[in-house]
Amino acid sequence: DIQMTQSPSSLSASVGDRITISCRANQTIYRYLNWYQQKPGKAPKALIYAASTLQSGVPSRFSGSGSGTDFSLTINSLQSEDFAIYCCHQSYSSPGTFGQGTKVEIK
Amino acid sequence: QVQLVQSGSELKKPGASLKVSCKASGYTFINYALNWVRQAPGRGLEWMGWINTDTGNPTYAQGFTGRFVFSLNTSVNTAYLQISSLKAEDTAVYYCARRMYVSGYTLFDYWGQGTLVTVSS
Repeated sequence: DIQMTQSPSSLSASVGDRITISCRANQTIYRYLNWYQQKPGKAPKALIYAASTLQSGVPSRFSGSGSGTDFSLTINSLQSEDFAIYCCHQSYSSPGTFGQGTKVEIK
Repeated sequence: QVQLVQSGSELKKPGASLKVSCKASGYTFINYALNWVRQAPGRGLEWMGWINTDTGNPTYAQGFTGRFVFSLNTSVNTAYLQISSLKAEDTAVYYCARRMYVSGYTLFDYWGQGTLVTVSS
């Protein structure tokens, strides 16, 4: 199975900050990388697929980049509703595996 | 609008069985595969497998064979997850998720609200 490792596991930031979360695969997954946002007690919400394509309805302050094994999710001008857990997910090979998540907390 | 609505929380004793439902609305049910994802307390997401909603053919991830069964009732646009011989380690939130397929890429674009399953004596 492909292992997905995110860093950091948590971070503290303020409203208006720009943050970046990294996700690394232990083998190439080309651009088969998705990002999800999960709030406490809620289902995950799809943000980005194909490493950098914004899912419909997702604000443009979210962006994704990377290919191969190294990927990142950037949130520009963090808003209060963005404090959540962010999780990467590879859809290159079965089983699709998820990163352990990065918790974005209010500083 | 697309919705996946799951059945409510369950409290079961070890050894029992349960069936979680996932009712879809707002789209053509058989056009999108349905996946099942588990989230154990304090842990990340774990893909359990998927079911082809057109053919009914299920595919199970390693670790989810034997006691786990995916099924459908296409007449009511509903998918089911059945777990038998429940163990304490099955305690988790179980999600159904629709798989979107575009330009060769896939994404779980819509999720059910989750079903909390607690296994305890």
